[in-house]
Amino acid sequence: GAVVSQHPSWVICKSGTSVKIECRSLDFQATTMFWYRQFPKQSLMLMATSNEGSKATYEQGVEKDKFLINHASLTLSTLTVTSAHPEDSSFYICSAAPAPEGTEAFFGQGTRLTVV
Amino acid sequence: DAKTTQPTSMDCAEGRAANLPCNHSTISGNEYVYWYRQIHSQGPQYIIHGLKNNETNEMASLIITEDRKSSTLILPHATLRDTAVYYCIVRAYTGRRALTFGSGTRLQVQP
Repeated sequence: GAVVSQHPSWVICKSGTSVKIECRSLDFQATTMFWYRQFPKQSLMLMATSNEGSKATYEQGVEKDKFLINHASLTLSTLTVTSAHPEDSSFYICSAAPAPEGTEAFFGQGTRLTVV
Repeated sequence: DAKTTQPTSMDCAEGRAANLPCNHSTISGNEYVYWYRQIHSQGPQYIIHGLKNNETNEMASLIITEDRKSSTLILPHATLRDTAVYYCIVRAYTGRRALTFGSGTRLQVQP
């Protein structure tokens, strides 16, 4: 299947700093990518939909100024957690689907963020 | 997207078939059944999907009832590496929309 790669796999940062997570589609172009967050023992929750060349769409309750999403190319979307706090510690996962529309989505390996 | 119901957890002996059920009684005619799994601390992995016919690939088989209100994912010879949370997701095969994850079934393969 198609490959979606996330970097880094894990990161530890201090409170108040910002962290950038990259999501790349390695063998296909993705006009749309999705960002999820998963807390321990919970399911994946959609945070936002990243659209190439336009603004991201955020789910209700997700602060767009705190979770900055940039989708500057057809193979790269980035999620920046700004002014991170310990409650932002979570597992962040991106996904993308190759064309045509509706094809099964593929997921990155996830990024474990720990804010200390 | 139609709601799905899955058992919270299941056990299976290594080498035996694992049969994971999913109820989706409100499924619409244009909605597909997708199965993903998530091994601990990894991103979800696509397994299989289908509309109304049974499907099989190198990982698993998907059996969908004639009325499409339920389905079963079959792992023919479960191994310890199949221990994971399995998600059954129903959604229309159109649009660039995200998948909605429920609680899934935690499958524990026992040696």
